[in-house]
Amino acid sequence: AQRVTQPEKLLSVFKGAPVELKCNYSYSGSPELFWYVQYSRQRLQLLLRHISRESIKGFTADLNKGETSFHLKKPFAQEEDSAMYYCALSGGSYIPTFGRGTSLIVHP
Amino acid sequence: EADIYQTPRYLVIGTGKKITLECSQTMGHDKMYWYQQDPGMELHLIHYSYGVNSTEKGDLSSESTVSRIRTEHFPLTLESARPSHTSQYLCASSERGYRHEKLFFGSGTQLSVL
Repeated sequence: AQRVTQPEKLLSVFKGAPVELKCNYSYSGSPELFWYVQYSRQRLQLLLRHISRESIKGFTADLNKGETSFHLKKPFAQEEDSAMYYCALSGGSYIPTFGRGTSLIVHP
Repeated sequence: EADIYQTPRYLVIGTGKKITLECSQTMGHDKMYWYQQDPGMELHLIHYSYGVNSTEKGDLSSESTVSRIRTEHFPLTLESARPSHTSQYLCASSERGYRHEKLFFGSGTQLSVL
């Protein structure tokens, strides 16, 4: 079975502060991991994925197999980063499993 | 324009009614999914399809049914709506369904059953 845990329902920071949204997973094999984002009144969309090893909008995420984590980080938060963030895992079934999401609020 | 469309955007209906939530994509994707999304909860997979004439149940026990008669169309039907079905329903698709592929989501249908 595969499972994704996002321990924080809400993360509140001030503009310019560093941000780290936590994601832990449970999967016995080698997972594919993703971060999806949903801005207010917009669709859920891909932010970044592990396989691409890219930085999108200043966000990065590193897979730590020892800690089974895929935390999302940004050194300096912007107000436009305020959104709902979902971590997702795709395992042997090729069906993505999502966490419950973390609401990020960036105050001016 | 290639996209994934869900209708209606909002639906308020009485208990016992039969409803169909529509989902269509013009991206030529093989794999399609239905997720249920409640505030503060995980997205729960309720149905998915590998292609035409393929439908599978997801992790979440659901009283809904789906069909995939055409590649682009993946409607979800509730034969008898109940208040417990009140939720946001998200349709998604991916090109071939490989593990590393991203999902494209529709705008969702917010269903309220009175």
